[in-house]
Amino acid sequence: NAGVMQNPRHLVRRRGQEARLRCSPMKGHSHVYWYRQLPEEGLKFMVYLQKENIIDESGMPKERFSAEFPKEGPSILRIQQVVRGDSAAYFCASSPVGYSNQPQHFGDGTRLSIL
Amino acid sequence: DAKTTQPPSMDCAEGRAANLPCNHSTISGNEYVYWYRQIHSQGPQYIIHGLKNNETNEMASLIITEDRKSSTLILPHATLRDTAVYYCIVGADTGGFKTIFGAGTRLFVKA
Repeated sequence: NAGVMQNPRHLVRRRGQEARLRCSPMKGHSHVYWYRQLPEEGLKFMVYLQKENIIDESGMPKERFSAEFPKEGPSILRIQQVVRGDSAAYFCASSPVGYSNQPQHFGDGTRLSIL
Repeated sequence: DAKTTQPPSMDCAEGRAANLPCNHSTISGNEYVYWYRQIHSQGPQYIIHGLKNNETNEMASLIITEDRKSSTLILPHATLRDTAVYYCIVGADTGGFKTIFGAGTRLFVKA
């Protein structure tokens, strides 16, 4: 999983606080994807972004969750007013622009724990 | 919902070939077959992908049937470190797509 960097690796928050998860894609990649994995479950797509644009957010909860991928800097997944059910592993993936059929490459995730 | 069907689990003896099947009977003409694996709680690792021809790389081989309705991932000499959940995914040739993960196959490689 070298190349896609996620931080922090572990994040602990109390209910009601905000969580910010960061993802730096592989060099040359301008597509970013966020997935959530609940304990003992599979990965669920959340959102797909290109630089400064959200392309598909069909898997993102309508409230409290937002994502951005600014022109400069990493992509950010933001969870406001966290609840216990937000405890999960959040994975980011990236792929290059302009190349169809290229696979996504994943980071090692951020483990979010809500107290 | 995932567009693929995989057996929930498989066993393989260390050093032997592991053959992991995947059914994707509703695959469209422009959709590729991708394989990933997830070892313990790490991020998914890309293994291989193909459209209609068989593919081979340093990790594995991918055999796709002529009608493209199923495929097999082959790990030629499985090791204990290959124990993981293996995901078969289909995706369109559109320069970027959301990956729909199914439950995958949990492969146990035994000594």
